[in-house]
Amino acid sequence: DTEVTQTPKHLVMGMTNKKSLKCEQHMGHRAMYWYKQKAKKPPELMFVYSYEKLSINESVPSRFSPECPNSSLLNLHLHALQPEDSALYLCASSRGQGNTIYFGEGSWLTVV
Amino acid sequence: DQQVKQNSPSLSVQEGRISILNCDYTNSMFDYFLWYKKYPAEGPTFLISISSIKDKNEDGRFTVFLNKSAKHLSLHIVPSQPGDSAVYFCAADVFGNEKLTFGTGTRLTIIP
Repeated sequence: DTEVTQTPKHLVMGMTNKKSLKCEQHMGHRAMYWYKQKAKKPPELMFVYSYEKLSINESVPSRFSPECPNSSLLNLHLHALQPEDSALYLCASSRGQGNTIYFGEGSWLTVV
Repeated sequence: DQQVKQNSPSLSVQEGRISILNCDYTNSMFDYFLWYKKYPAEGPTFLISISSIKDKNEDGRFTVFLNKSAKHLSLHIVPSQPGDSAVYFCAADVFGNEKLTFGTGTRLTIIP
């Protein structure tokens, strides 16, 4: 079982809204990730959580705020986004260093 | 600075023939390489991986070859099937970094 579940699949939000993307895995993976993918571009790493602690932040603007409530859940809180933040947001998980990273189906975000 | 490059944005192959997708990298620290397949509006699906201690890894119709001296890897799909039509990303990692770096992708189209 290599399932990473993301909700919602689609989200439209205004620039003044506050919303959250959610991610869940029950594979016992200890590392979880947020990636962002724009059209016709490769996925780009945003954050890495290792053992529920933020280990990597790729200089992401503070309007994106990650949270890892427990080892199975990862959230991405969104506030005051810009239209250029519209993209596919991918959650992923792995057993950790040197192990395969498995992706969810993504959440399509449109900022209007 | 694109550390992982897929120089062919697209490739068309006849059904039943071999598909060969290529990937080059510049960072000699990379020691783990993966191939992902992506359909539109879905997250990347893991296909096959190889560590730098090997030069070949095979899984069913998929074989990945690694040439460390040339900093080059390739994915062979034999025989190619219509369901293989998708965008293929190669990705590279440094053990301990937990930061996948993706190539720009190659769109593979299998012609029936």
